Amino acid sequence: DTAVSQTPKYLVTQMGNDKSIKCEQNLGHDTMYWYKQDSKKFLKIMFSYNNKELIINETVPNRFSPKSPDKAHLNLHINSLELGDSAVYFCASSQGGSHTEAFFGQGTRLTVV
Amino acid sequence: AQKITQTQPGMFVQEKEAVTLDCTYDTSDPSYGLFWYKQPSSGEMIFLIYQGSYDQQNATEGRYSLNFQKARKSANLVISASQLGDSAMYFCAMRGVKAAGNKLTFGGGTRVLVKP
Repeated sequence: DTAVSQTPKYLVTQMGNDKSIKCEQNLGHDTMYWYKQDSKKFLKIMFSYNNKELIINETVPNRFSPKSPDKAHLNLHINSLELGDSAVYFCASSQGGSHTEAFFGQGTRLTVV
Repeated sequence: AQKITQTQPGMFVQEKEAVTLDCTYDTSDPSYGLFWYKQPSSGEMIFLIYQGSYDQQNATEGRYSLNFQKARKSANLVISASQLGDSAMYFCAMRGVKAAGNKLTFGGGTRVLVKP
């Protein structure tokens, strides 16, 4: 039973399109995140949600809009895709506090052509 | 602010030998956690080991151990008896008790290649 599942695993799309990535966690965690991993493997936080509320938005363009219908789900919608959006996007979740690990989804490799 | 630095972009290790991956951090939080993750070529992020800032003993998990030196702000990962399956990217991360949004901050990663 997958703890954090995100779909799709691969996404190839043309510039200008709109796409969504879905994420669900069955761990009962309060906090969910979106991370972006660039071509150099650097992982950067994009958004953090706690109990469906947006907590941080790390200077992400407005074309990226997260939505959390409940605390087990955090989806990412991207409008007007650009070549520079090509990356691997990870959903993750964790319980509160500084001493608990985050569990990651399998990642979504987005390629914009 | 939290910052993690991994100075080794890549390294080779002979099978069955031990390897140490360096990680230094910077934070003003009084309490924080340090984490190591493994990312194999298949892409998933696998949690390996955790060290709390107030833990008196270094963390160990099987062949993984964490050499925590608080005064030096370092949290090096030691992998003993390397196996071919240890070839992967390794990320050091931290989360302070005051971290905005409870976020994990990652270092740039170290790529390890185990040679037979």
